Amino acid sequence: DGGITQSPKYLFRKEGQNVTLSCEQNLNHDAMYWYRQDPGQGLRLIYYSQIVNDFQKGDIAEGYSVSREKKESFPLTVTSAQKNPTAFYLCASSRGKTGNTIYFGEGSWLTVV
Amino acid sequence: GQQVMQIPQYQHVQEGEDFTTYCNSSTTLSNIQWYKQRPGGHPVFLIQLVKSGEVKKQKRLTFQFGEAKKNSSLHITATQTTDVGTYFCAGGALTSGTYKYIFGTGTRLKVLA
Repeated sequence: DGGITQSPKYLFRKEGQNVTLSCEQNLNHDAMYWYRQDPGQGLRLIYYSQIVNDFQKGDIAEGYSVSREKKESFPLTVTSAQKNPTAFYLCASSRGKTGNTIYFGEGSWLTVV
Repeated sequence: GQQVMQIPQYQHVQEGEDFTTYCNSSTTLSNIQWYKQRPGGHPVFLIQLVKSGEVKKQKRLTFQFGEAKKNSSLHITATQTTDVGTYFCAGGALTSGTYKYIFGTGTRLKVLA
């Protein structure tokens, strides 16, 4: 099946540790995105990438890092610098052109313990 | 920067009542998309509006795009329990030379049987 796969679905992290969330898509989409969603809140853009080896900061990039070495993959690292990392993280992709549908993965729940 | 607000934040309705959520952008949009997120799930694309004043219908759902392309609405006629979830609008626009979508804050709908 074509789609976006995020892993892990649930993750617990100790304070001070970095953690990497995986996002893989087989839709041949150029653009990929990471959003953060806090309980009862909307979606806030962390980082996005429109082509391989290029990415831009979104509205809340501090404490996060990404890479886009392959078209299919857009991993997100939540660093220890992120003060409130507990949230639901959504990876998404689109063909990248104006007006294309954004397809979302099933999300990853990160809890800092 | 560009902001997209939605009202109301929450709405409880009796099954069979109508429901409307409104989306307002601080800047003119190229297009607007609507997504639905079921509780515990990820956002799923519903529809896209591109033209000024455009109206589209999907069964009991009616979507409108304002004449100025800065606001939009989603109206559900005769709600059902399956309509429960959070409805997001996403405004597409060029920002700092890059095209991206900004999601609204969402409206959480509860339908009481």
